[in-house]
Amino acid sequence: EVQLVESGGGVVQPGKSVRLSCAVSGFIFDEFVMHWVRQGPGKGLEWVAGIDWNSVTIDYADSVKGRFIISRDNAKNSLYLQMNSLRPEDTALYYCVKDMGGGALDIWGQGTLVTVSS
Amino acid sequence: IVMTQSPATLSVSPGERATLSCRASQSVSSNLAWYQQKPGQAPRLLIYGASTRATGIPARFSGSGSGTEFTLTISSLQSEDSAVYYCQHYNEWPLYTFGQGTKLEIK
Repeated sequence: EVQLVESGGGVVQPGKSVRLSCAVSGFIFDEFVMHWVRQGPGKGLEWVAGIDWNSVTIDYADSVKGRFIISRDNAKNSLYLQMNSLRPEDTALYYCVKDMGGGALDIWGQGTLVTVSS
Repeated sequence: IVMTQSPATLSVSPGERATLSCRASQSVSSNLAWYQQKPGQAPRLLIYGASTRATGIPARFSGSGSGTEFTLTISSLQSEDSAVYYCQHYNEWPLYTFGQGTKLEIK
């Protein structure tokens, strides 16, 4: 069974950092592009960052560029999101998402909630 | 690229057809997907390549369009189709963009 399980969320003070993790199983992780997508409370979906299979091509939404870092460890079947200089507007449910190859996002985790508040 | 969905909310009776629209600010070719999200759940891929149904998606869901204008049609609506539907382009990897969503209500 294909599974994406996120962890690392919680309540964080503005300006602080947190690292999200996503444990992957059920498919050959190092063959696929992976993404983080977030959803603020009562809001729509926002693509955050994407990383190709060998970490050569990486990009970020303008809203997080320079503050967030996406990475992966293919040996551990894991995806990460290092979130620095957090702001209240970063409060959201963060989804780990598999790219089916070509761009559509076919497998989603259940998300981990990050709340940025003092 | 900005994705604009319309209408924001759509109310349709069971058994009828629902038509949801998505417009791109510039051409995305056929690099467009549709997702369904029910309350408390992660999004689910419905359509990719503008018109190809994802695995396990019922035939009552269909997608059409290319370039800047796209449509998701749900024929013969069922109560479980009540959800928010998002379009997403993937024409500029990996800079993807979602539309703001259309909330579909079943009367």
